[in-house]
Amino acid sequence: NFMLTQPHSVSESPGKTVTISCTRISGSIASNYVQWYQQRPGSSPTTVIYEDNQRPSGVPNRFSGSIDSSSNSASLTISGLKTEDEADYYCQSYDSGNQVFGGGTKLTVL
Amino acid sequence: QVQLQESGPGLVRPSQTLSLACTVSGDSISSDDYYWSWVRQPPGKGLEWIGYIYYTGSISYNPSLRSRVTMSLDTSKNQFSLRLTSVTAADTAIYYCARLVPAVISPVWFDPWGQGTLVTVSS
Repeated sequence: NFMLTQPHSVSESPGKTVTISCTRISGSIASNYVQWYQQRPGSSPTTVIYEDNQRPSGVPNRFSGSIDSSSNSASLTISGLKTEDEADYYCQSYDSGNQVFGGGTKLTVL
Repeated sequence: QVQLQESGPGLVRPSQTLSLACTVSGDSISSDDYYWSWVRQPPGKGLEWIGYIYYTGSISYNPSLRSRVTMSLDTSKNQFSLRLTSVTAADTAIYYCARLVPAVISPVWFDPWGQGTLVTVSS
């Protein structure tokens, strides 16, 4: 099987841009789609990016996703940060029927 | 709008079996459009996929839990269920059910999620 590794935490100021990385250990990041979920305290996760770079309806275009084969990683970029973006973010992918989540990144907007 | 709701005991004794159900509204679990899944989250920790089931009965489980997990469908109630045997304190978690959306033939992303239910394993 494979793993997805994320930084434990990141912080940035309101109005700025932040990027959260998700590195695939074993196998190619480009082999299977990567998704990103936002989880606010006390709430269920919600999808902010699916299939590498697609936004569900209702997710603002401040959220974007990308894949970098050279670093075997995926990235979630949030521009024009708002205090409401403060949450945990999880990346997720799959292989051979198995679903795998990254360990999560706590985003602090201060 | 599809909604998922978990139900089941909030407290399970060690070595016993954890049983949860997920009731789906706004969609049919008998449809070939989606897969149905369970994910758990220990308090203060990250997400762990448990398994998924398809309307045909096809199943995939997390290898680390496979020996203790059983998932099933109840189409008459539009529910799917989770059984986890021989539980320990390490199984204490919020358990979420979620719909798995496929791309081509593979289940790809979880959406939406239920509100989650906390299950505590303790004597």
